[in-house]
Amino acid sequence: GAGVSQSPSNKVTEKGKDVELRCDPISGHTALYWYRQSLGQGLEFLIYFQGNSAPDKSGLPSDRFSAERTGGSVSTLTIQRTQQEDSAVYLCASSLAPQENNEQFFGPGTRLTVL
Amino acid sequence: KQEVTQIPAALSVPEGENLVLNCSFTDSAIYNLQWFRQDPGKGLTSLLLIQSSQREQTSGRLNASLDKSSGRSTLYIAASQPGDSATYLCAVKNSGGSNYKLTFGKGTLLTVNP
Repeated sequence: GAGVSQSPSNKVTEKGKDVELRCDPISGHTALYWYRQSLGQGLEFLIYFQGNSAPDKSGLPSDRFSAERTGGSVSTLTIQRTQQEDSAVYLCASSLAPQENNEQFFGPGTRLTVL
Repeated sequence: KQEVTQIPAALSVPEGENLVLNCSFTDSAIYNLQWFRQDPGKGLTSLLLIQSSQREQTSGRLNASLDKSSGRSTLYIAASQPGDSATYLCAVKNSGGSNYKLTFGKGTLLTVNP
């Protein structure tokens, strides 16, 4: 079946512009995660959605970052007033619940470059 | 705070060699540990997942072991092939609290030379 998909695969933007990154999880997966992979750094957790529960936003690095998940499926990560340090690969993952038992399946990522 | 370390950061071996990648973590209260593979410009592919109650998992030429009490895991690759060249990432999921987050190491870049 289809895996996690993300769009766009690459995004180049100018400093100060807003960007939206999209994630389509595996059908039936109720848990959705966003991670960021910066050059030379490990993957860091950004945000977690589970069903209709309030998301865990504890990993978002600043208030310029926000995310939503509509209808319990597609998620959008929005970065406002982008900065050069936002350049990274943004990875989305999804899993079945209960989330602690199940593997997270990752999408191919969106490579964001802020000039 | 959980910290995951992978050694070595990079490894280059000739084709056919058996090799071991190491992963250590500071907090032994984990739910599971997962090994991933990442090819350049691509996402993560899950290789093996070991639950905290397990000691090892095997898939083909891959064998992953887990010693939770000492905070260590190893990924053994037998008879390496050029197609195994990739970055290998280790990630742990802590038990209790935010038991959905994965904490990743920075990875080992493996190059298998023909």
